Amino acid sequence: GENVEQHPSTLSVQEGDSAVIKCTYSDSASNYFPWYKQELGKRPQLIIDIRSNVGEKKDQRIAVTLNKTAKHFSLHITETQPEDSAVYFCAANAGGTSYGKLTFGQGTILTVHP
Amino acid sequence: DGGITQSPKYLFRKEGQNVTLSCEQNLNHDAMYWYRQDPGQGLRLIYYSQIVNDFQKGDIAEGYSVSREKKESFPLTVTSAQKNPTAFYLCASSSPGQARNEQFFGPGTRLTVL
Repeated sequence: GENVEQHPSTLSVQEGDSAVIKCTYSDSASNYFPWYKQELGKRPQLIIDIRSNVGEKKDQRIAVTLNKTAKHFSLHITETQPEDSAVYFCAANAGGTSYGKLTFGQGTILTVHP
Repeated sequence: DGGITQSPKYLFRKEGQNVTLSCEQNLNHDAMYWYRQDPGQGLRLIYYSQIVNDFQKGDIAEGYSVSREKKESFPLTVTSAQKNPTAFYLCASSSPGQARNEQFFGPGTRLTVL
């Protein structure tokens, strides 16, 4: 089955700096890669996703890049703010199927210091 | 008001008892999922269901059971066979027919075994 590895497990930055979280996946048939943000005590929420037919996608201060050859994808947050502090999860769908089954990475605890 | 709900928010169980966690959605989603969240381990899939009256085991199904008698409901039973049931349980749903496989999460149930 699919295996998703996420690094780093914790990340601490100063407000205004950039943050990068990286994930690798094992199944070359995966074609959907979402990123979720989970604030303390809250449910995970989708913040950005990318499909395998594109290499990069941006949404304001957030961007995701995908390298299908190397089977890795990354989340980039620019101009970080204290409200960006949360746990971030990457995920990949299983075997290219369309029914939405996802395998999640272990999560990254991001702390943005004012 | 559309969404996915879970109840109860907190649940306490004595060792040897079965307990059932509720998950309901009114998003008209075909697929529903149960995850377990432990610190440092991300979201691990317990069971998932693509359609009514059908479900499949995820990565950590041992000690758990589910049913899918209605499209809107996907209850999870934590049985006494689950050796370490204390965790945060998240339910999710998605509409696999759409190009975007976004999963929407419920608020979670925190189960503690006394």
